[in-house]
Amino acid sequence: ETGVTQSPTHLIKTRGQQVTLRCSSQSGHNTVSWYQQALGQGPQFIFQYYREEENGRGNFPPRFSGLQFPNYSSELNVNALELDDSALYLCASSLGGAGVETQYFGPGTRLLVL
Amino acid sequence: SQKIEQNSEALNIQEGKTATLTCNYTNYSPAYLQWYRQDPGRGPVFLLLIRENEKEKRKERLKVTFDTTLKQSLFHITASQPADSATYLCAQVGTGGFKTIFGAGTRLFVKA
Repeated sequence: ETGVTQSPTHLIKTRGQQVTLRCSSQSGHNTVSWYQQALGQGPQFIFQYYREEENGRGNFPPRFSGLQFPNYSSELNVNALELDDSALYLCASSLGGAGVETQYFGPGTRLLVL
Repeated sequence: SQKIEQNSEALNIQEGKTATLTCNYTNYSPAYLQWYRQDPGRGPVFLLLIRENEKEKRKERLKVTFDTTLKQSLFHITASQPADSATYLCAQVGTGGFKTIFGAGTRLFVKA
C-alpha cells in the first residue's frame, strides 16, 4: 500500500450535478496530482498542486477545479457533470513539485455519471 | 503534441518465458521514462525509472531499456509468473516537468 487514500471509492451522479473527490497524500509529501482514467486508457493529467498552489494543468475545462489544504490533502471538484466524465479518478502524491520522478497513487474513485 | 504509444493488443505468454513490452514516444525527448503496473480497479504502482543517459536499468526480474535514437523503451519481465498478469503503463514527464503523460498500457496475461 502507498499510504495514499481516496474517498469515496465509488460514486453515482446524474448529468449536471457537481461532485467533490478527496485525497490524502502520503505522509511528508507536499505535491498532489490528479488524473482521469477512462476505461481502457492510460491516466490523463488534470492538474497538480504543490504547497497549496496549482502548479500546472492539463487539457481539462475550468469546471474541473481543485484545492490543496495546509496538511497537503486535496480535493477535486467537477461542476456540471457530463456523461463523458464517467471514469476512474486517481490522485498521486509526491515530494518536490515539478520534475517529480516517483508518484504514489491512491486506489482511485470510480465515478459514474448517468 | 507529446505522445506515448504502447501496443494496445494484449500480450499472452507462458509462465517462465520472458515478456517484452514496447513503449514509443514522439515529438519530445524526455529526460526519463517511467514504468508502472496497474491491476484492475487499482491505482498504478511505480516500478522503474530510466534516464535518457542510461541504456538499461534492472530491478529483480525486471529490465528496462531506453533507446533515444529509436525513441523507444522496452520493458522485460524474465521468468514470468501468473502473478505478473496486469496492465503495464509507460509514462514520460512533459515539458515544464510537472505533467506526466501516460500511454494506454499493455495488458499482459501469463498462463500457468
